[in-house]
Amino acid sequence: DTEVTQTPKHLVMGMTNKKSLKCEQHMGHRAMYWYKQKAKKPPELMFVYSYEKLSINESVPSRFSPECPNSSLLNLHLHALQPEDSALYLCASSPGGGMGALSGNTIHFGEGSWLTVV
Amino acid sequence: AQSVTQPDIHITVSEGASLELRCNYSYGATPYLFWYVQSPGQGLQLLLKYFSGDTLVQGIKGFEAEFKRSQSSFNLRKPSVHWSDAAEYFCAVGASYNTDKLIFGTGTRLQVFP
Repeated sequence: DTEVTQTPKHLVMGMTNKKSLKCEQHMGHRAMYWYKQKAKKPPELMFVYSYEKLSINESVPSRFSPECPNSSLLNLHLHALQPEDSALYLCASSPGGGMGALSGNTIHFGEGSWLTVV
Repeated sequence: AQSVTQPDIHITVSEGASLELRCNYSYGATPYLFWYVQSPGQGLQLLLKYFSGDTLVQGIKGFEAEFKRSQSSFNLRKPSVHWSDAAEYFCAVGASYNTDKLIFGTGTRLQVFP
């Protein structure tokens, strides 16, 4: 059983719609992530929140808007998406404090939300 | 800059055969290395990680990996593959001490024949 819960599992939206993906974890982790994964490709990092502040934005288009209401929740707001944005969106969390060898931290992934833009 | 290379895009083995998936990294300091597995339509599951100590690391599902600094490698092995091991396998390295970021390799797809 995954400890990072994502909803919805599947989402179909039109290019003019506004929708949101939601992610929740109750492991007390202080870093949360959004990744985008296209078929047969590795996950691509989009955003990292560290202690509820946006710490990494990998030059993601503004039609994707992340939000971290509290340390357990992470949202990804979607607006005016394009068909090429169709992908698996993975949420993840880690204890926070870096990913160096001394941290011993592990990133835990959710099952993902399949997004189709029509 | 840190990077991870998985030279094999696709590997096919027979059930019961041994398996080795290759991973090479480029990192200036002591690397923090991971192997994740992704079954079709699923999220990523951590198999094992290495950050210090014994260079042979045991993971879940009977997998192990060996860290070889001299070869900049962290290859994943399993002595006897099961049909349920068919999946995508990703090697990754922690980006640095002060960022919460993983750098992934391009993945190796494992097919298992009966």
